[in-house]
Amino acid sequence: EAQVTQNPRYLITVTGKKLTVTCSQNMNHEYMSWYRQDPGLGLRQIYYSMNVEVTDKGDVPEGYKVSRKEKRNFPLILESPSPNQTSLYFCASSRGTSDVETQYFGPGTRLLVL
Amino acid sequence: GQNIDQPTEMTATEGAIVQINCTYQTSGFNGLFWYQQHAGEAPTFLSYNVLDGLEEKGRFSSFLSRSKGYSYLLLKELQMKDSASYLCAAVDSNYQLIWGAGTKLIIKP
Repeated sequence: EAQVTQNPRYLITVTGKKLTVTCSQNMNHEYMSWYRQDPGLGLRQIYYSMNVEVTDKGDVPEGYKVSRKEKRNFPLILESPSPNQTSLYFCASSRGTSDVETQYFGPGTRLLVL
Repeated sequence: GQNIDQPTEMTATEGAIVQINCTYQTSGFNGLFWYQQHAGEAPTFLSYNVLDGLEEKGRFSSFLSRSKGYSYLLLKELQMKDSASYLCAAVDSNYQLIWGAGTKLIIKP
């Protein structure tokens, strides 16, 4: 089944404790992206990647890191989480960006930083 | 700057019709997406318009006017399961998606 998976789905942590949210897609997509979604603000892009070893900042990259060592994986790293990073996070992928492509979303990771 | 506007919340009755509007301002334009998102779940693709006019898909239709920077999503024969948020996203000249904040649709029996 074609899908985007994220782990964990739910996470409670404390300020400053490094964490990683994994994202994997099995559709051989070139483009992958991370979003956060907060009430009233909609989806805001954190980072995106157009291909392996190519990553770019989105609208709200501060406090986050990503890597794209393999085509299928795009982990999101919070080196020192803070309470303002409490949010619902979505990973998404699409075939590419040379044309308009539908983005497919993972199930979401709900993060609470105490 | 780039901007997408859509109403925050709408209420409609089961069996009725509702129209959710979206206006956009982007650097270049390569089409507009509508996604549906049930509470706590991932957004799922509904439609994509790049040419002016109405596209119909069953109970859902989407309209685009490029000259007016305007789109709407029309939902007919509303069902309780249509209660969700509807996200509008415009594609800019770099093929990046510019997302609206979403419209929460509440369906009442």
